[in-house]
Amino acid sequence: SAVISQKPSRDICQRGTSLTIQCQVDSQVTMMFWYRQQPGQSLTLIATANQGSEATYESGFVIDKFPISRPNLTFSTLTVSNMSPEDSSIYLCSVSSPGLSGYTFGSGTRLTVV
Amino acid sequence: AQSVTQPDIHITVSEGASLELRCNYSYGATPYLFWYVQSPGQGLQLLLKYFSGDTLVQGIKGFEAEFKRSQSSFNLRKPSVHWSDAAEYFCAVAAGSSNTGKLIFGQGTTLQVKP
Repeated sequence: SAVISQKPSRDICQRGTSLTIQCQVDSQVTMMFWYRQQPGQSLTLIATANQGSEATYESGFVIDKFPISRPNLTFSTLTVSNMSPEDSSIYLCSVSSPGLSGYTFGSGTRLTVV
Repeated sequence: AQSVTQPDIHITVSEGASLELRCNYSYGATPYLFWYVQSPGQGLQLLLKYFSGDTLVQGIKGFEAEFKRSQSSFNLRKPSVHWSDAAEYFCAVAAGSSNTGKLIFGQGTTLQVKP
């Protein structure tokens, strides 16, 4: 299965600032996904990162708040913009590919906004 | 639209006892189903998955799950629980017609293990 390096692993940020999270995969993958896990909650999909095109956002998530880049088949970034305390969550990237048997998740970024 | 329900938010079992975590899904065609475990402060680890074929699936750490189409269920079982199994467990289904689309997660079940 693919190995994902997600950075940073945690951060404490001031409200009103932005944080960019990186997801690097050790092999080319078709689909990359970004999830949010709010405290004590399950995972909610933010968007699907498509290589060479704009990300596809889920209901309730917008590009201005969560801009995503996918410059190639092994890398993606998620930016959390103009942060507020409500953005305090764990953000996880995930990958799938027809050649992989299932989905792999990064170790997550634990974000605290103060 | 696909959905996943985990009816039990919190389960407590004694160490050495058997375990069953329930998962019900809503999907018209053959689903691609997964169970993940998340230990405190850790990422998600895949326990097992069902794509097709044998409806009884073996996973890691001694876990197994059985796909029952008639009941729209994919319950996770373990014959003897260890203290290290205490964690959050998530059932998920792959949306769409392939096993590479987005995952939809259930609400999660917190497992507590009593000594």
